[in-house]
Amino acid sequence: EPEVTQTPSHQVTQMGQEVILRCVPISNHLYFYWYRQILGQKVEFLVSFYNNEISEKSEIFDDQFSVERPDGSNFTLKIRSTKLEDSAMYFCASSELREGKQYFGPGTRLTVT
Amino acid sequence: KNEVEQSPQNLTAQEGEFITINCSYSVGISALHWLQQHPGGGIVSLFMLSSGKKKHGRLIATINIQEKHSSLHITASHPRDSAVYICAPRNTGNQFYFGTGTSLTVIP
Repeated sequence: EPEVTQTPSHQVTQMGQEVILRCVPISNHLYFYWYRQILGQKVEFLVSFYNNEISEKSEIFDDQFSVERPDGSNFTLKIRSTKLEDSAMYFCASSELREGKQYFGPGTRLTVT
Repeated sequence: KNEVEQSPQNLTAQEGEFITINCSYSVGISALHWLQQHPGGGIVSLFMLSSGKKKHGRLIATINIQEKHSSLHITASHPRDSAVYICAPRNTGNQFYFGTGTSLTVIP
């Protein structure tokens, strides 16, 4: 069965550094999402992306965050200047339809020191 | 404000029991997602529904849009069902709001 993949599985970075988290959605999917989960807390929606532009974004998704689909397969989340509070598990998801079931990647654990 | 409440927060069941997890939300929604998060952290989508009822194997999800309530049922529960079950309504702005989850443990 096709699956969403994410790299790296774990990223450690210093405060103030830029990080790029990568996702490869399922190939025929058109809708892409990023979520995060701070350790011990609930999952939070960050952003959705369709037709090469952001569809919706949450209050968390401020100017420090950006998303891009640089080619036909990758979907990236960039954090420009990481803060300690950005430490979390970041999940990418994709769906074929707007109202369709989402398929989640295994997550990237980001640790900011 | 988008509020999502799940009950119970924690649930322990004997293998074979019928399980119900409830989700209530505060604002109008276009759809609702039920997710399963495994102990290792991985997330699996179980259902996306906007009305009525859906069934997949031993899992059944129902939603009542007027009452702002959804339920997830597991029939003939099994230890492998042990996980955190998360309700995530999507508001009319197409943003998902997540509940804190129900931690289910099924004992053999």
